[in-house]
Amino acid sequence: GDSVTQMEGPVTLSEEAFLTINCMYTATGYPSLFWYVQYPGEGLQLLLKATKADDKGSNKGFEATYRKETTSFHLEKGSVQVSDSAVYFCALTSNQAGTALIFGKGTTLSVSS
Amino acid sequence: KAGVTQTPRYLIKTRGQQVTLSCSPISGHRSVSWYQQTPGQGLQFLFEYFSETQRNKGNFPGRFSGRQFSNSRSEMNVSTLELGDSALYLCASSLESVNYGYTFGSGTRLTVV
Repeated sequence: GDSVTQMEGPVTLSEEAFLTINCMYTATGYPSLFWYVQYPGEGLQLLLKATKADDKGSNKGFEATYRKETTSFHLEKGSVQVSDSAVYFCALTSNQAGTALIFGKGTTLSVSS
Repeated sequence: KAGVTQTPRYLIKTRGQQVTLSCSPISGHRSVSWYQQTPGQGLQFLFEYFSETQRNKGNFPGRFSGRQFSNSRSEMNVSTLELGDSALYLCASSLESVNYGYTFGSGTRLTVV
């Protein structure tokens, strides 16, 4: 079935470092892809999304490009801040999943000053 | 505007009891979905309601049920609680479907003892 695989965490970075969190997906057809972020004690927030191949989603300095040829949707940010410390989830929806989101396991990011 | 409101925030129940969780979506949102979040299984889809009808259902036993009211508010019920039902239960609402992007509530933390 459809699935999402994220890189294992935690990821520990210093402030202003470059961030990449890898996300690979398996899906039939043409899924829509999402990144969600969860801050401590809160629910998830939509960070960005892409609905077709080669689309680039971006928000708050974060970017991810929908790569159908490599079935990937890696999250990047050029310069992280302490306030970016959170858990990041890659997710997809597809014909098989219907109206449900299929999430990866999440990657914990910790940024120190 | 008000976000997604889940009540209660915390619950402690005994094995064998039943529990009802409540979710008030963002005004105008007609789709409400429920997810279970645990350290071991991550985020798993329970069900989705749209205009008072269950539109999609995940792979959970029949002890898990839900409903949606005419004002789009939703409740989920878990009967005959088991220790393994201890989790964070997240409600998410959307205008029409997940492809518009969800807005999540802060969740209800259920502990079964």
